[in-house]
Amino acid sequence: ETGVTQTPRHLVMGMTNKKSLKCEQHLGHNAMYWYKQSAKKPLELMFVYSLEERVENNSVPSRFSPECPNSSHLFLHLHTLQPEDSALYLCASSQDANTGELFFGEGSRLTVL
Amino acid sequence: AQSVTQLGSHVSVSEGALVLLRCNYSSSVPPYLFWYVQYPNQGLQLLLKYTSAATLVKGINGFEAEFKKSETSFHLTKPSAHMSDAAEYFCAVWQAGTALIFGKGTTLSVSS
Repeated sequence: ETGVTQTPRHLVMGMTNKKSLKCEQHLGHNAMYWYKQSAKKPLELMFVYSLEERVENNSVPSRFSPECPNSSHLFLHLHTLQPEDSALYLCASSQDANTGELFFGEGSRLTVL
Repeated sequence: AQSVTQLGSHVSVSEGALVLLRCNYSSSVPPYLFWYVQYPNQGLQLLLKYTSAATLVKGINGFEAEFKKSETSFHLTKPSAHMSDAAEYFCAVWQAGTALIFGKGTTLSVSS
């Protein structure tokens, strides 16, 4: 199994839909992250979880709701999104939250119509 | 506050030519510096990292980078480009207690 697995790889949703992105890491890491990657913009850190507790939330709109039920799984729940939320959403994990060495999944490409 | 600037959003080289991707950082304390690579339709992968040991750092796939404090630079080089090196490259800076900060990325194209 690959280190960090994200599903689905592609998602198309309307602005009134509710969907979720899933991330699973098989590396025994204690920290997990959600990043947003949009064209021509730097990667934006959205959320950081350390030992299942949220330690950072970078002023992300409430239409994005993270969930970390255990140290191996991370979800991003999506509801009433806007077209500008279309992007590649990357999940990452690290040994702990005090490191810059991250392991990334392949991403979930989200299109909001 | 930390920041990273990657000079040139797009670099084109011929196969076999030298690859040079530029990165300058701003940090109030000695940082840790990273280069990540993203191949098409994939996530980011760590190429190499500087953590205050040797200033010349060797990474995977023949890449290396040199930390120059006087120039606040951490440029990425490879002596001879290969077609498989075509990808997007991200420089990033990190300090304890903060999040990893990425540059905007540089797309490397390699022509035969």
